[in-house]
Amino acid sequence: GENVEQHPSTLSVQEGDSAVIKCTYSDSASNYFPWYKQELGKGPQLIIDIRSNVGEKKDQRIAVTLNKTAKHFSLHITETQPEDSAVYFCAASIYGQNFVFGPGTRLSVLP
Amino acid sequence: DAGITQSPRHKVTETGTPVTLRCHQTENHRYMYWYRQDPGHGLRLIHYSYGVKDTDKGEVSDGYSVSRSKTEDFLLTLESATSSQTSVYFCAISPSTGSGYTFGSGTRLTVV
Repeated sequence: GENVEQHPSTLSVQEGDSAVIKCTYSDSASNYFPWYKQELGKGPQLIIDIRSNVGEKKDQRIAVTLNKTAKHFSLHITETQPEDSAVYFCAASIYGQNFVFGPGTRLSVLP
Repeated sequence: DAGITQSPRHKVTETGTPVTLRCHQTENHRYMYWYRQDPGHGLRLIHYSYGVKDTDKGEVSDGYSVSRSKTEDFLLTLESATSSQTSVYFCAISPSTGSGYTFGSGTRLTVV
């Protein structure tokens, strides 16, 4: 079955710097890759997603890139702010069926 | 989270007792999921439903059962709770395959 790895497990950046979180997946049939943000005491919230027919997608300060050949995708957050501090999860699925999640990255944005 | 509620939010139960967690949605979404979240493991799928009375197992289904008698409700039952089932449980919904999930706020379950 699908396996998703995520790195780093923790990440600290200064406010205003960029943050990058990387995920790799094992099943070449996976074609949908969402990213979720989880704040303390809350459920994960979808922040951006990408499908395998697209190499990059942006939404304001957030972008996701996908390299199908290497089977990895990355989340990029620019101009980080304290409210970006949270746990971020990547996931992979085949046609949106039953996501497999990475173990998460705890991002801390230091003022 | 809008349109999806989980109950209870917190529960402490004793080993060996049955426990039922409820997920209720007002979005009329077809797909509903139960995940558990544990440190270092991310979110792991327990069971899911693709319609009323249509359910299937996920990767960590042992010791759990589910029921979906109405579109809006998806129940997760721990048949005989064990300490290894201490976790945070999340329900999620989606309107179709290929769509991102909307998660509930979670239920923190402690088995003592």
